[in-house]
Amino acid sequence: QQPVQSPQAVILREGEDAVINCSSSKALYSVHWYRQKHGEAPVFLMILLKGGEQKGHDKISASFNEKKQQSSLYLTASQLSYSGTYFCGTRDTGGFKTIFGAGTRLFVKA
Amino acid sequence: SAVISQKPSRDICQRGTSLTIQCQVDSQVTMMFWYRQQPGQSLTLIATANQGSEATYESGFVIDKFPISRPNLTFSTLTVSNMSPEDSSIYLCSGRAGGTGELFFGEGSRLTVL
Repeated sequence: QQPVQSPQAVILREGEDAVINCSSSKALYSVHWYRQKHGEAPVFLMILLKGGEQKGHDKISASFNEKKQQSSLYLTASQLSYSGTYFCGTRDTGGFKTIFGAGTRLFVKA
Repeated sequence: SAVISQKPSRDICQRGTSLTIQCQVDSQVTMMFWYRQQPGQSLTLIATANQGSEATYESGFVIDKFPISRPNLTFSTLTVSNMSPEDSSIYLCSGRAGGTGELFFGEGSRLTVL
């Protein structure tokens, strides 16, 4: 079942922060986050495997609440290069395939 | 990161014809998947390509329409059969690395059916 992402779209000015949420109705083994720029393939950002786990690199981080079956992606001090569509992908407990949410379009303007 | 090569990158086809998309991955990949992405939409899983056996299809996708082969660990093909304009889309080959489970994607094959 497709995870639910929110918001559908975000417009930011450079330097502002954003949060993208992802939730599932099924018990999750892992949550993945990807960014896709127009005309390009999706690029892996990070994977979260355990409940309560947080990860991050540079100014992009994410958390995963296994009990609530929710994950959030945090973008701080956004840069123009952050623009694109962000997808969360989820794998069920015991599953091997990744199902993607509808995506969140992020646009960062100068 | 794994390297995934996909071809053709784009093609324009006539209604009723078939097109085969090829995908080559490097040896880090353990599982291979085929996704479809309509313009501005999400990635929809078509099937899991199983080495040496029939692919595992998702609901709404059937083998007669999307036959998939994976003769060895690093190569797979997806055929879009008897195409109609509704099949116009981007088809993405994906591979999963064994350790962390992250997915790597090919550049995609943009298919337009007239």
